[in-house]
Amino acid sequence: KAGVTQTPRYLIKTRGQQVTLSCSPISGHRSVSWYQQTPGQGLQFLFEYFSETQRNKGNFPGRFSGRQFSNSRSEMNVSTLELGDSALYLCASSPEDMDRADNEQFFGPGTRLTVL
Amino acid sequence: AQSVAQPEDQVNVAEGNPLTVKCTYSVSGNPYLFWYVQYPNRGLQFLLKYITGDNLVKGSYGFEAEFNKSQTSFHLKKPSALVSDSALYFCAVRDLNYGGATNKLIFGTGTLLAVQP
Repeated sequence: KAGVTQTPRYLIKTRGQQVTLSCSPISGHRSVSWYQQTPGQGLQFLFEYFSETQRNKGNFPGRFSGRQFSNSRSEMNVSTLELGDSALYLCASSPEDMDRADNEQFFGPGTRLTVL
Repeated sequence: AQSVAQPEDQVNVAEGNPLTVKCTYSVSGNPYLFWYVQYPNRGLQFLLKYITGDNLVKGSYGFEAEFNKSQTSFHLKKPSALVSDSALYFCAVRDLNYGGATNKLIFGTGTLLAVQP
């Protein structure tokens, strides 16, 4: 199976702009999670989607939003970009069986966002 | 609140020597623990997980981890380090605040492993 894919891989934006990142999970995976990775804050959970519904949301401002489509692909959007939004944004997918707490997550390569 | 701690920012080891990357956890209830590795400019790769059962868990690339309930630790180990093992290692715990209905992971701060030739 193909792994988790994320597009674009690199992105440069300026303050005040908005950005949309895309994630395609492993075929058959219905759960998609997003994480932000920065040197200062480490890996922080953004949100999780399952069957087009947001199941969980981290402690991020409302400028960060996401959605999931019927084919399980997911997008996240950041509006009114700030310098502090510069980060590696990682998407992860998990198998369909949500009742299993031992599901590992499979991560994509990430999108490196730089805000100037 | 659930959390994991990685007390070492960096671990240095010579090639061929055994390595240990430390992780301690704090959870209410049974922990679901994971180790991931990240190579430069890459996403995270799953190494191994502990759910229940044997305290010694074997994973990918020759890595293993020892679960110790009394010390609330889950240290990552490898008998003989390779230069190619140099990477950033993350310990993580499943967030169980949602009754299991989430795949959310809580990550440690990461430990940079440097293996010298």
